[in-house]
Amino acid sequence: EPEVTQTPSHQVTQMGQEVILRCVPISNHLYFYWYRQILGQKVEFLVSFYNNEISEKSEIFDDQFSVERPDGSNFTLKIRSTKLEDSAMYFCASSVSPFSYGYTFGSGTRLTVV
Amino acid sequence: GIQVEQSPPDLILQEGANSTLRCNFSDSVNNLQWFHQNPWGQLINLFYIPSGTKQNGRLSATTVATERYSLLYISSSQTTDSGVYFCAVAEGAQKLVFGQGTRLTINP
Repeated sequence: EPEVTQTPSHQVTQMGQEVILRCVPISNHLYFYWYRQILGQKVEFLVSFYNNEISEKSEIFDDQFSVERPDGSNFTLKIRSTKLEDSAMYFCASSVSPFSYGYTFGSGTRLTVV
Repeated sequence: GIQVEQSPPDLILQEGANSTLRCNFSDSVNNLQWFHQNPWGQLINLFYIPSGTKQNGRLSATTVATERYSLLYISSSQTTDSGVYFCAVAEGAQKLVFGQGTRLTINP
C-alpha cells in the first residue's frame, strides 16, 4: 500500500535555529497538508496546499512557518527561529481527493527544541 | 467551527474484551476517518467512513451521518490494540478536525 514518507523521524534543534521537515506524498495525490500534535494533545491542522499554493492555513501557521513543493515529489515545512513551544510531532498528509478517499498520514517527525 | 467529541476519554479492558468508542460531531461532514495512534506516535488510518458501515478483521465502524455520530467497535481486544483512537472529520474542503481521542489500554 502506498505510503507518505517523512524525514527525519526525530530532530533535535537549538532554540532560534531553522528546521526543515520533509515529506514525500503519495505520487498521484494532489492535496497536501501539515498537522502538528503537541505531546498529550489532539492533532491540529496547520496548512493545506493544492495546485502549488496554500489553500488554507490555521492561525497557528504564522510568518514563522512556510511550505514548499520544490520538485514533483517533495513537500517541506520550514520553521524559522524555532521556539520551545514548537516542540511537537509534525505530520504530513496527502489525498487524491479528500471528498472521496480521505487522507493518508505519514509517520510523523518528532521535533524537540532545546 | 465544527466540534468533535469522543467518548470515553479513557478505557481500560482485559484482553479478549469488546469495546465501543463513540465520536459525535456538531455539523454535517463529507469526510470522517478513524485513526489509531500507536505508542510510537504514528497515526494509522483505520477507516474512511463518512457514512455506512465497514469492517476490517476485528474492527468495524458505523457512521450515522444524519444523527452526527460514528462508532468504532473493537472485538476480542489484544494488547497491541492499546493506544489512542482519534476520530477526525472534514470541515469545508480542506482540513480535518480531530477529536481529543480515546486512550485504550488493554491489559493481558
